[in-house]
Amino acid sequence: DQQVKQNSPSLSVQEGRISILNCDYTNSMFDYFLWYKKYPAEGPTFLISISSIKDKNEDGRFTVFLNKSAKHLSLHIVPSQPGDSAVYFCAASAMTSYDKVIFGPGTSLSVIP
Amino acid sequence: DVKVTQSSRYLVKRTGEKVFLECVQDMDHENMFWYRQDPGLGLRLIYFSYDVKMKEKGDIPEGYSVSREKKERFSLILESASTNQTSMYLCASSFGTGEGHTEAFFGQGTRLTVV
Repeated sequence: DQQVKQNSPSLSVQEGRISILNCDYTNSMFDYFLWYKKYPAEGPTFLISISSIKDKNEDGRFTVFLNKSAKHLSLHIVPSQPGDSAVYFCAASAMTSYDKVIFGPGTSLSVIP
Repeated sequence: DVKVTQSSRYLVKRTGEKVFLECVQDMDHENMFWYRQDPGLGLRLIYFSYDVKMKEKGDIPEGYSVSREKKERFSLILESASTNQTSMYLCASSFGTGEGHTEAFFGQGTRLTVV
């Protein structure tokens, strides 16, 4: 049973518009959430994170929102650029489990010029 | 700049072979991880290590073992390779705060095919 879910396997967005990638989790012990980006034939790279004590974290064009009561987070990319086309993984960890991180299945984002 | 290096980009092995995947990191990280990535399943944790000679099973340890004799090196061993272990294998490392609040740095991945 997946603890971190990304229900949209793929998403297409026009360049310049907003991309919204969603993630749901089931384990209430998770208290830290991360987004990674992965290009083909490369390892994932860290993008942005959020602690459970916050509901929003922003870094340039990337903003992550956390709704703890709904066990839901989302990544917003504004404006989207063709170079953002990649697979995005949502990940979560719990303070009680060392630094073990659980990943979702990923969403493939295509930004169309 | 953090570097996590996996010894091979591509490997082809025969069923029943013993396979070694090597990973080295140069940032003095306490934690090291092995994941496999499969379509629709994301990254699944096989094993992780939070210190030299220490290891913990992840979500899918069956058929795998690991070795961490030195802090910078974490090896994944397929005791007897099977076709269902054909996958992309990713190694990662992170600082060990013990609080689950650190980002992991990944290697470029090893595409293993078992025939």
